[in-house]
Amino acid sequence: KQEVTQIPAALSVPEGENLVLNCSFTDSAIYNLQWFRQDPGKGLTSLLLIQSSQREQTSGRLNASLDKSSGRSTLYIAASQPGDSATYLCAVSPVNYGQNFVFGPGTRLSVLP
Amino acid sequence: DTGVSQDPRHKITKRGQNVTFRCDPISEHNRLYWYRQTLGQGPEFLTYFQNEAQLEKSRLLSDRFSAERPKGSFSTLEIQRTEQGDSAMYLCASSLTLTGGNTEAFFGQGTRLTVV
Repeated sequence: KQEVTQIPAALSVPEGENLVLNCSFTDSAIYNLQWFRQDPGKGLTSLLLIQSSQREQTSGRLNASLDKSSGRSTLYIAASQPGDSATYLCAVSPVNYGQNFVFGPGTRLSVLP
Repeated sequence: DTGVSQDPRHKITKRGQNVTFRCDPISEHNRLYWYRQTLGQGPEFLTYFQNEAQLEKSRLLSDRFSAERPKGSFSTLEIQRTEQGDSAMYLCASSLTLTGGNTEAFFGQGTRLTVV
């Protein structure tokens, strides 16, 4: 069974800091990994999608890396802003466990002004 | 195209009542997914459709739950005889997947169900 964990569960940083969120998954047989942002009481907004053959993806201040063999991904946020405060979720699309996405529990980020 | 749309955004119902949620996916997306999310947790898979065919259902989807996607367009999720444990955010997502595995998933704003 594919399981996804995220560390830390919560993070509070002052504005302007660079930060790293971690995602781990137990089965390296994945099609892709996707990072999402979720604001309180809202749906999920897709941030970055990394295909299994890729090592990283960048969008603005966000950079996501993927090390499939070790079952790890990181989301790097540069120069954090209060507007980045949200819960960040990673999800993998496993090859062996059906055609759905398996989510981690998320990291709740607070960026203090 | 305005993305994945879900209706209603909020639903409060009494225990034992039936409720139905609707999801309109992004046009031409062939896959549609339903997930459930409780407070502080990541979304949990319920079921997915490839066009109009329901191809996979989670064991979380008890007999009280039924989903349809007529004509491979919008989808409905019905919960019969609601229980307090059904209170959650119900999320719909869609993707365009042509071969093999999944591509990027796009989520709606969710339907928040409260059973009192």
